[in-house]
Amino acid sequence: NAGVMQNPRHLVRRRGQEARLRCSPMKGHSHVYWYRQLPEEGLKFMVYLQKENIIDESGMPKERFSAEFPKEGPSILRIQQVVRGDSAAYFCASSPPGMLISDTEAFFGQGTRLTVV
Amino acid sequence: GENVEQHPSTLSVQEGDSAVIKCTYSDSASNYFPWYKQELGKRPQLIIDIRSNVGEKKDQRIAVTLNKTAKHFSLHITETQPEDSAVYFCAALYSGAGSYQLTFGKGTKLSVIP
Repeated sequence: NAGVMQNPRHLVRRRGQEARLRCSPMKGHSHVYWYRQLPEEGLKFMVYLQKENIIDESGMPKERFSAEFPKEGPSILRIQQVVRGDSAAYFCASSPPGMLISDTEAFFGQGTRLTVV
Repeated sequence: GENVEQHPSTLSVQEGDSAVIKCTYSDSASNYFPWYKQELGKRPQLIIDIRSNVGEKKDQRIAVTLNKTAKHFSLHITETQPEDSAVYFCAALYSGAGSYQLTFGKGTKLSVIP
């Protein structure tokens, strides 16, 4: 049972380009959470998704950022027109369906390190 | 929403000594408090957690205490070893309107000096 898979591990984008970050949850998990980690800081919640539904996007910047978790395929975090301040590590975590996250640990992927030049 | 404060931000201890990291949270409805260890360039990994129906939990050299009245919880590492050096994050589960968010503290960089 593979863990949470994120790709790419490293992504370099020029200012103004688009960044697409992918997260494949653990097998059997249908809840996905995205977090952003700025250098020397903790993880900040961005968005919580279930299959085909955004449950909570209160941590997502209102502009340029979007997330989806389609019925088939990985969850995608999309950042349009990237700026230097978007440079960070983006982690996703997954947990099983039908259970509160407090009933089981949220498993984190290895993260995608985005560098905007 | 939830707000989690973590102290200290850096901590250096001699090998064999104990390390204590403290966190406070704001939302009294939070009921799950995990601790994560993150080594440089790696993913956060759960090391221990505690739920609001217990006050203390221990796993070998690691223990966590929870005071719901005061809204704070602490991580205790005894007999520290160099491999304990990492950044440790506390978190609190906030739930509301059908959503569950883990809110993290800003982290404590622990250095264990051989």
